[in-house]
Amino acid sequence: GAVVSQHPSRVICKSGTSVKIECRSLDFQATTMFWYRQFPKKSLMLMATSNEGSKATYEQGVEKDKFLINHASLTLSTLTVTSAHPEDSSFYICSARLSDTQYFGPGTRLTVL
Amino acid sequence: AQSVAQPEDQVNVAEGNPLTVKCTYSVSGNPYLFWYVQYPNRGLQFLLKYITGDNLVKGSYGFEAEFNKSQTSFHLKKPSALVSDSALYFCAVRARNAGNNRKLIWGLGTSLAVNP
Repeated sequence: GAVVSQHPSRVICKSGTSVKIECRSLDFQATTMFWYRQFPKKSLMLMATSNEGSKATYEQGVEKDKFLINHASLTLSTLTVTSAHPEDSSFYICSARLSDTQYFGPGTRLTVL
Repeated sequence: AQSVAQPEDQVNVAEGNPLTVKCTYSVSGNPYLFWYVQYPNRGLQFLLKYITGDNLVKGSYGFEAEFNKSQTSFHLKKPSALVSDSALYFCAVRARNAGNNRKLIWGLGTSLAVNP
């Protein structure tokens, strides 16, 4: 139980384009999901907390107009990286909260050329 | 301020030997404590958590951790390491009264290498 999927697992895009990443809780409903960014050999950086049916809560320093989050259902949250630039290249990981525990997706490797 | 420290960037242990990955925390009130493991190019997998009750918590893959309130520690342990345990380990904490946000505070991770 408590399986979270992410799609795509890997994406390469040109600078200036937008990329959408989906995060799904497969066997449970998640009122709250989280979006993280991870740099090589570094810890996780929380970008935002996604709440179903309401606006996401962004961490300080994260541009909400650049990283659009939508949590339209209890099993799906999406992160759209708008007008992507090479510095946005990273490993993006989502998690979904079930009770007191966060369960993580497998991550999405974004490369912006 | 809430924080989590994993004092060792890397831990090396021989296969079959016991392993310990250290974690200390600072949080107001009683904590919720978690350990996660990350294999290369993958997301994090939940290992175990301490919420309340017995200070010794047993989790997946033979791992366990002991909550020590006086030392504010939550070290991860395994009696006999396997080569397949080689991965990146993260400790995380949140305050019990964190409200609806409930975001976790993360350690920087400890890379565990188990040598055959």
